[in-house]
Amino acid sequence: DAKTTQPNSMESNEEEPVHLPCNHSTISGTDYIHWYRQLPSQGPEYVIHGLTSNVNNRMASLAIAEDRKSSTLILHRATLRDAAVYYCILRDPTSGYSTLTFGKGTMLLVSP
Amino acid sequence: GAGVSQSPSNKVTEKGKDVELRCDPISGHTALYWYRQSLGQGLEFLIYFQGNSAPDKSGLPSDRFSAERTGGSVSTLTIQRTQQEDSAVYLCASSFRSDGGALHFGNGTRLTVT
Repeated sequence: DAKTTQPNSMESNEEEPVHLPCNHSTISGTDYIHWYRQLPSQGPEYVIHGLTSNVNNRMASLAIAEDRKSSTLILHRATLRDAAVYYCILRDPTSGYSTLTFGKGTMLLVSP
Repeated sequence: GAGVSQSPSNKVTEKGKDVELRCDPISGHTALYWYRQSLGQGLEFLIYFQGNSAPDKSGLPSDRFSAERTGGSVSTLTIQRTQQEDSAVYLCASSFRSDGGALHFGNGTRLTVT
């Protein structure tokens, strides 16, 4: 599986935008970019995913670089509830058995 | 709507006993996954079911671990002769399709082996 690299942790203030980066320089043409987050004592929660174009949903936006070697998850206004570990994952649907390999992610700290 | 349901939410067992963990996926989801997460660690893939295909068991750590999925729906993860290192949160997830589909996780079963 292609690997992703994320900062171990980031800090933000409440109501400010947050940009969470992810590098995936070995991404293949068929890899989708997925983002999940895990709040304390909960299972991971799907946030967003995309292939080539930028994506928006009610939770966040996903900006994908033109060469697809990096992406950024954007939380437009951080709240205290957004404090979580954020995982950037590549998923290849052509690999047969398609699983997600979770790395250590980025721990986002949000201050009031 | 109903999400992925796991039971029990907590399980304490003695070393050497067998345990069964249950997962009820979202209705209609064809893919089902089991992961485990030890304290302070990332998620470790265990097993993956997709429709009627043979499951991908490549993540099972030993032959004490097995899983079944009956009727393409409910899944049971069985750990035989539990050891203390089996203590972890066991997470189940399901998705509609394996290609690009989002995984929906349950809140897990916290297993403690004493």
